[in-house]
Amino acid sequence: EVQLVESGGGLVQPGRSLRLSCTASGFTLGDYATTWFRQAPGKGLEWVGFIRSRAYGGTTEYAASVKGRFTISRDESKNIAYLQMNSLKSEDTAVYYCSRGLSSAYWGQGTLVTVSS
Amino acid sequence: DIVMTQTPLSLSVTPGQPASISCKSSQSLLHSDGKTYLYWYLQKPGQPPQLLIYETSNRFSGVPDRFSGSGSGTDFTLKISRVEAEDVGVYYCMQSIQLPRYTFGQGTKLEIK
Repeated sequence: EVQLVESGGGLVQPGRSLRLSCTASGFTLGDYATTWFRQAPGKGLEWVGFIRSRAYGGTTEYAASVKGRFTISRDESKNIAYLQMNSLKSEDTAVYYCSRGLSSAYWGQGTLVTVSS
Repeated sequence: DIVMTQTPLSLSVTPGQPASISCKSSQSLLHSDGKTYLYWYLQKPGQPPQLLIYETSNRFSGVPDRFSGSGSGTDFTLKISRVEAEDVGVYYCMQSIQLPRYTFGQGTKLEIK
């Protein structure tokens, strides 16, 4: 069974960093792209970025709102993808989801990140 | 950025009746590879989104056949032939033709009468 579980969310002060994890089971993470989304409280969905599959070089793409601050990576030995978030702002407060593939056929349950002093 | 506009923003439907949601994009979503990169997701209350339709009209595995997607270019539609109680939630369209700026529609909230 395909499963994705996000972890690492929490309360963090503006300007600080946080790393989210996306642990995959039931498939090999590197065989697919991993896409990250977020959803601010009571708001719609926002695409954050993705890391391509191993076959496509594992390169990354980011939304303009996070480019230069967020980094997506993958540890294939652990079957985990990461979202490193630096220089966090209050507007980054959201539930963060990881998903499998560029079509995002499978999603995790999400992890809440709250950026506040 | 490609702007995705959904209508209506809310929908109240009697069980067994049909429902339709429109999604219009500010630019064509037809790629040179021949595919049209328009997706539909449903986010049920308290849950993550789930994929319903990919590349305009392909139902994802396990999605009931009462859901169908159609359209081309800049105009797309999600239809539910007979709404059931479990279909409540917010429906989103998303375009993925423009890197790195995938964008969603505002969402359409479906309620049961």
